[in-house]
Amino acid sequence: SQTIHQWPATLVQPVGSPLSLECTVEGTSNPNLYWYRQAAGRGLQLLFYSIGIDQISSEVPQNLSASRPQDRQFILSSKKLLLSDSGFYLCAWSKENTENNEQFFGPGTRLTVL
Amino acid sequence: GQNIDQPTEMTATEGAIVQINCTYQTSGFNGLFWYQQHAGEAPTFLSYNVLDGLEEKGRFSSFLSRSKGYSYLLLKELQMKDSASYLCAVRGSYNTDKLIFGTGTRLQVFP
Repeated sequence: SQTIHQWPATLVQPVGSPLSLECTVEGTSNPNLYWYRQAAGRGLQLLFYSIGIDQISSEVPQNLSASRPQDRQFILSSKKLLLSDSGFYLCAWSKENTENNEQFFGPGTRLTVL
Repeated sequence: GQNIDQPTEMTATEGAIVQINCTYQTSGFNGLFWYQQHAGEAPTFLSYNVLDGLEEKGRFSSFLSRSKGYSYLLLKELQMKDSASYLCAVRGSYNTDKLIFGTGTRLQVFP
């Protein structure tokens, strides 16, 4: 069966510090991968979308970046965090040619920037 | 533009029935999803509609009308554990799995 992992689970970082969040998927190959941010009281905002290694599209302008160095690894990074980067970061995967191509979410990382 | 609207909050009583509505205006349509999200946790998949009509899964049902840009999630025999946020999401294109999410409806079930 497929599983998706994210770490760390929680993170408190000062403004201006770097960020690296990792997401890995097991039990499937060539998944579509997604990074979302969920700010308090707001919906899920799609940040990045990847259909393959080194194939990443950015959905909104921001000071974050994403990389996919391996098929089942998706990394979210920042060189200098802003206060507005606080939120709940969710990684998700989906597989084409399934019944409904639903997205499966990881457990999330709660980031607080102080 | 792309827009998905849901009520922000709803309350209901244990054992009752509740209907959560979702309206959407998107440039394309290739399916509508409902997800459940408990506080501090990841969303989990509940239902998928791509054709008009009702899809039933146990206590949960979801309805879609593409001509009206409208869906609802129906929860029957409410239980305390159903207290959660319910997210409506639309896949707006045939050649991508990307979803557009609404802000979610926070449902509180009281005894």
